[in-house]
Amino acid sequence: GAVVSQHPSRVICKSGTSVKIECRSLDFQATTMFWYRQFPKKSLMLMATSNEGSKATYEQGVEKDKFLINHASLTLSTLTVTSAHPEDSSFYICSASTGPTYEQYFGPGTRLTVT
Amino acid sequence: AQSVAQPEDQVNVAEGNPLTVKCTYSVSGNPYLFWYVQYPNRGLQFLLKYITGDNLVKGSYGFEAEFNKSQTSFHLKKPSALVSDSALYFCAVRDDNQGGKLIFGQGTELSVKP
Repeated sequence: GAVVSQHPSRVICKSGTSVKIECRSLDFQATTMFWYRQFPKKSLMLMATSNEGSKATYEQGVEKDKFLINHASLTLSTLTVTSAHPEDSSFYICSASTGPTYEQYFGPGTRLTVT
Repeated sequence: AQSVAQPEDQVNVAEGNPLTVKCTYSVSGNPYLFWYVQYPNRGLQFLLKYITGDNLVKGSYGFEAEFNKSQTSFHLKKPSALVSDSALYFCAVRDDNQGGKLIFGQGTELSVKP
């Protein structure tokens, strides 16, 4: 149980375009989802926390207008990178939990490359 | 603020030897500590956690970790390393005062050679 999927696993987009990444909890209802960004061989940096039906809480330094997060249902959260630039290229990982202080289950990650 | 530190960027071990990946923590209140493993281009896989109870925690794939309150450490161990254990390991602490977010250490790359 407790499976989280991400789609797509890899995406290449052109500079200036937007790209959407989906995070789904397949066998449980995820009240809370977290979005992380990871640079090569580096630690995970929390970008934002989203609770179903409410606005996401962004970490300091993360542009909310650039990284749009929607958590419209208990099984789906989306991260949209708007007007992507090469510096947005990274590995994006989501996690899901049944509540903010409950165990997080991680998705397999999405590799974004902006050309 | 809660934090964890992994003092070693890389650990090299010969197959069959015991391995230790170090983690120290700094928390206010009770520590909720986790170890995760990450293989290349993959998400994080949960290994084990300490919430309360026995100081020696047993986890997946033969890994275990010892919670040491006096030394504020939570080192990951395995008695006999496998080549397939080679991966990136992360220690994390959960901050329940900040919405349950996980704060990760810098990561330690474990290399197990035959």
